[in-house]
This record gives sequence, C-alpha cells and structure tokens, in this order.
Amino acid sequence: QVTLKESGPVLVKPTETLTLTCTVSGFSLSNARMGVSWIRQPPGKALEWLAHIFSNDEKSYSTSLKSRLTISKDTSKSQVVLTMTNMDPVDTATYYCARILTVTTSYDYWGQGTLVTVSS
Amino acid sequence: SYELTQPLSVSVALGQTARITCGGNNIGSKNVHWYQQKPGQAPVLVIYRDSNRPSGIPERFSGSNSGNTATLTISRAQAGDEADYYCQVWDSSTAVFGGGTKLTVL
Repeated sequence: QVTLKESGPVLVKPTETLTLTCTVSGFSLSNARMGVSWIRQPPGKALEWLAHIFSNDEKSYSTSLKSRLTISKDTSKSQVVLTMTNMDPVDTATYYCARILTVTTSYDYWGQGTLVTVSS
Repeated sequence: SYELTQPLSVSVALGQTARITCGGNNIGSKNVHWYQQKPGQAPVLVIYRDSNRPSGIPERFSGSNSGNTATLTISRAQAGDEADYYCQVWDSSTAVFGGGTKLTVL
C-alpha cells in the first residue's frame, strides 16, 4: 500500500525557514520509475508546484521560488525534505507531497497535506 | 512560463454531461493530467496522459486533447462529482497546474 505523509511545523514566523518532511511507504525512493514532488495550495486557491526529486537525485524547482527552495531525500529513511527560506504570510498554505510516475508523468498518490501558517 | 487557463466554474444538471476545458499554447503537444479535489481532501488523479483512466475511476470520466484545448468530460454527472478539477502538464521539467474549475451539479 502506497502512502505519503507530510510532517512539519503548523506555525512559522515571518523570515523563518520552513522544513517539511515527506515520509513514504509502499515504494522506494531508489525506484527509477518514480519521484516525489512538493505542491502547495493557499486557502481557497489553486495548486502550485514547488519542486521534485527523482531516484538519481535529479531535482527541479519552481522558477519563481527557486532561490528559496531546497529539496533532498534520504532513501534509507524513505524521506523527502523540503526547505523554504524567508517565509512570508503569503506562503500560508497546505503543503502536499505527491508521487510521480515517470512512465505517465502524473501524480498517482498524494499525501493528506499539512497546513502551514505564517504569522508573527 | 507556460500557462493553463480553466473556467472558474462549470454547472451541470444531474445526469447530464459536464465538460471542463483547459487552455494552453499548443497544449495538444503535451500530456495533460486531470485531478479531482473535494473540500478538505487531497487531489485525486482522474485522467492521465490526456485520456487514460486510473484504476478505480469510473468510465464516466474521459479526456481529450487537441490544438490549444484539453477537455475533461464527465458523463451522467452525479452529486458526488461536485468538486474542484485541475489540469496539469509538464513544461521544461516543471509542473504547471491550471487555476482550477469548480464543478457544481444542480
């Protein structure tokens, strides 16, 4: 059974750095046919793609947020970590991690999401 | 950067056919995926690579893609289909989502 679960702080202060962890099960981060992305959704708004990472450590970032994002993985722990620096209230959102299948390029499994609020 | 345009809302009578469009420059040359999101839940993949249904998705859901428009079609709409729908493509190794369409079943 494939699952992804996001974890991290529910509240961060402006200018702080956010660190989110996605713990996966039911598949391996070393599987060449799969990768993991982070996607966020501000309250009442659309989905916004942030970054992805594949088994060969290939990474890609949102053009608009690239300077603030870092994605990494620990295959032995089945975890993908996203850090976002210099948080601002506009970054308040539900953050999802999702699995991507390289053969279809679609997101077939999603985590439940974690709401992060940026406020002083 | 590549942009996807969706109508904010679509309404459909119960049992009728709903069509949700996703516009983009030459989108027909890309693979389009569609996700359904109900309130308080994570998105669910309903169509991948233009017209393929994942296991467990009813045949009522279908997709097409040509020219500058991709379309998600929901036949015999049910109350349970009421949700937000997002299209998604890849452009230069980055994923792009449409703005989402709220489907209302009347």
